[in-house]
Amino acid sequence: AQSVSQHNHHVILSEAASLELGCNYSYGGTVNLFWYVQYPGQHLQLLLKYFSGDPLVKGIKGFEAEFIKSKFSFNLRKPSVQWSDTAEYFCAVNEGNNNDMRFGAGTRLTVKP
Amino acid sequence: DAMVIQNPRYQVTQFGKPVTLSCSQTLNHNVMYWYQQKSSQAPKLLFHYYDKDFNNEADTPDNFQSRRPNTSFCFLDIRSPGLGDAAMYLCATSRDRGRWNTEAFFGQGTRLTVV
Repeated sequence: AQSVSQHNHHVILSEAASLELGCNYSYGGTVNLFWYVQYPGQHLQLLLKYFSGDPLVKGIKGFEAEFIKSKFSFNLRKPSVQWSDTAEYFCAVNEGNNNDMRFGAGTRLTVKP
Repeated sequence: DAMVIQNPRYQVTQFGKPVTLSCSQTLNHNVMYWYQQKSSQAPKLLFHYYDKDFNNEADTPDNFQSRRPNTSFCFLDIRSPGLGDAAMYLCATSRDRGRWNTEAFFGQGTRLTVV
């Protein structure tokens, strides 16, 4: 069965530090890839998505992610985090034309001011 | 403006007493989803509707049912809630089927407590 793995459960950084959150998936076919963010008390919001084309995807708030097909990975990056980036980050994958989006367990990011 | 609205935000129900959670959307999307999210775990897809076509996940317990009377509304019915069903329940929509239409838009969730 398809699965999505996020390796870091909780990441603590100081402001201005660089961020990379790992995401790996197990499905070998065509995939659509997403990163969602959930700020405290708010709903899940889309940060960025990849369907095809340039494997380096830029999203909102300075986030980007790189799709590496050979590694089945879609890691999220930000060069300099801010206190306001404190949130939970979820990687999600769905297969081809299917609507069954699967989520990773999430990574909680805490940014210290 | 909220586009996917879940009511109520918090629901307390008694063990074994049927409960219904509701979701509405103003996006006119064809697909509506229900996810269950327990603490520190991934949101787990329970089922989804494509229009009126119901798609159940293989491992969703029979205790969980859903109704979609029209495009805008979708309900999650838990027939006999157990303590293990306490969780956050997330409703989401996406525009349509097909690769380019699968971005999901989420509501704020309903936190269910079973006492």
